[in-house]
Amino acid sequence: DAGITQSPRHKVTETGTPVTLRCHQTENHRYMYWYRQDPGHGLRLIHYSYGVKDTDKGEVSDGYSVSRSKTEDFLLTLESATSSQTSVYFCAISSLSYGYTFGSGTRLTVV
Amino acid sequence: GESVGLHLPTLSVQEGDNSIINCAYSNSASDYFIWYKQESGKGPQFIIDIRSNMDKRQGQRVTVLLNKTVKHLSLQIAATQPGDSAVYFCADVSGSARQLTFGSGTQLTVLP
Repeated sequence: DAGITQSPRHKVTETGTPVTLRCHQTENHRYMYWYRQDPGHGLRLIHYSYGVKDTDKGEVSDGYSVSRSKTEDFLLTLESATSSQTSVYFCAISSLSYGYTFGSGTRLTVV
Repeated sequence: GESVGLHLPTLSVQEGDNSIINCAYSNSASDYFIWYKQESGKGPQFIIDIRSNMDKRQGQRVTVLLNKTVKHLSLQIAATQPGDSAVYFCADVSGSARQLTFGSGTQLTVLP
């Protein structure tokens, strides 16, 4: 999607290893969000950011941490990946005035 | 906690017919609702939104109806086309950072 990119697009990792997903925006939007999507569920909020170094927990934050050291980047880290964290992860950005834009997603498989 | 939910997980319609996708929400403080379309392998795509001070909003081939009395939201798609086949989500907006809370989704299949 224009203005927002996620990397990597696909990743397979082993249980117990740390994993970092990156969300990069070129829109200078204040708000950034990380969601996960599992079969039978809508997107569920993991963490969100309302400014540089300002982050907070969402509905399913256990096992995840985030960092936002600059406006354009929002990193999601799985400290020690588990099979239950196999999912598709979406980043979203918002300026409130312009609504929400979602990235194309990262498919993470923990084996 | 409060959540947004959908009545039906799947919906099949004939090409050319109208589609109606329903959504119930529980957060009476919700003041903004959005419908998204998600195609396989892609992120959610904005369709239409509505604020709580409105009952109806129309877009191109889509209409959203909001009934605050029964906390119900619906998406109507006119003259459904094969390209409309996708999963549709409703979401409500709340919180200081205007977080989205999603329903579980409805899979719409358009039959030839």
